[in-house]
Amino acid sequence: DVKVTQSSRYLVKRTGEKVFLECVQDMDHENMFWYRQDPGLGLRLIYFSYDVKMKEKGDIPEGYSVSREKKERFSLILESASTNQTSMYLCASTRQVSTDTQYFGPGTRLTVL
Amino acid sequence: GNSVTQMEGPVTLSEEAFLTINCTYTATGYPSLFWYVQYPGEGLQLLLKATKADDKGSNKGFEATYRKETTSFHLEKGSVQVSDSAVYFCALYPGGSYIPTFGRGTSLIVHP
Repeated sequence: DVKVTQSSRYLVKRTGEKVFLECVQDMDHENMFWYRQDPGLGLRLIYFSYDVKMKEKGDIPEGYSVSREKKERFSLILESASTNQTSMYLCASTRQVSTDTQYFGPGTRLTVL
Repeated sequence: GNSVTQMEGPVTLSEEAFLTINCTYTATGYPSLFWYVQYPGEGLQLLLKATKADDKGSNKGFEATYRKETTSFHLEKGSVQVSDSAVYFCALYPGGSYIPTFGRGTSLIVHP
C-alpha cells in the first residue's frame, strides 16, 4: 500500500514564525503536491513538483515556498506565518501517468495565532 | 480552462436512502474523472474513477458513469449507511496533464 505521511497532524504557531511542513511518500512517485483545504473552497493547489529540485507554482503560491531535495520528501515552508494561513494542509503524490490516482496524507491542521 | 462543479451540500439522508451527488465538468481534450472521499479527520482517498467516455467506475456500492455528451460524472449509491458520512470530491485530470482539478466537495450526512 502506498503511504504518504505528514510530519504533524496539528500545529500551532505564532504570527511571523517560520513554519516547515514535511511530507514523505514511500512508493517512489515522481509527482508530489501541496494543497490547502478551506471550508467552502475545496482543495487549492499551492505547489507541485515533478522531480527532485523541480517545482511549479499552483493557484495560490503567495506566502509559501517548497523544497524537494530527495524524491520521497516534499517540504512546504511558510517564511513568515500569518493568520490567513490557518488552514488544513494536504500533501499528495502520484506516478507520472495522467490517469493515475492521487495518494493523500492525513493532513496537517495549522493554526496561526 | 478546466473546471468541476459539484452540487452544494450538505446532503442529509436517512440510512438506506438513495444517493445522488451531481458533478459536471468543463475540460479540453479527453480528461479522466475521479471521485475521492474524505472521512472525518483524514486525507482524501480514491473512491472510483473512469478514464474514457461511457466507462463506469464502481467501488463499495458507489457508481459513476462518464457521460461525455452531458459532461457529467454523477455519483450514486442505492442504499447509504451511516458510515458513508463524509465529504465527496469530484475531480478531473486533463489529458496530458498531471495536475488535477477538484470540485469544492459535497458533505454527506447519513442519519440512522
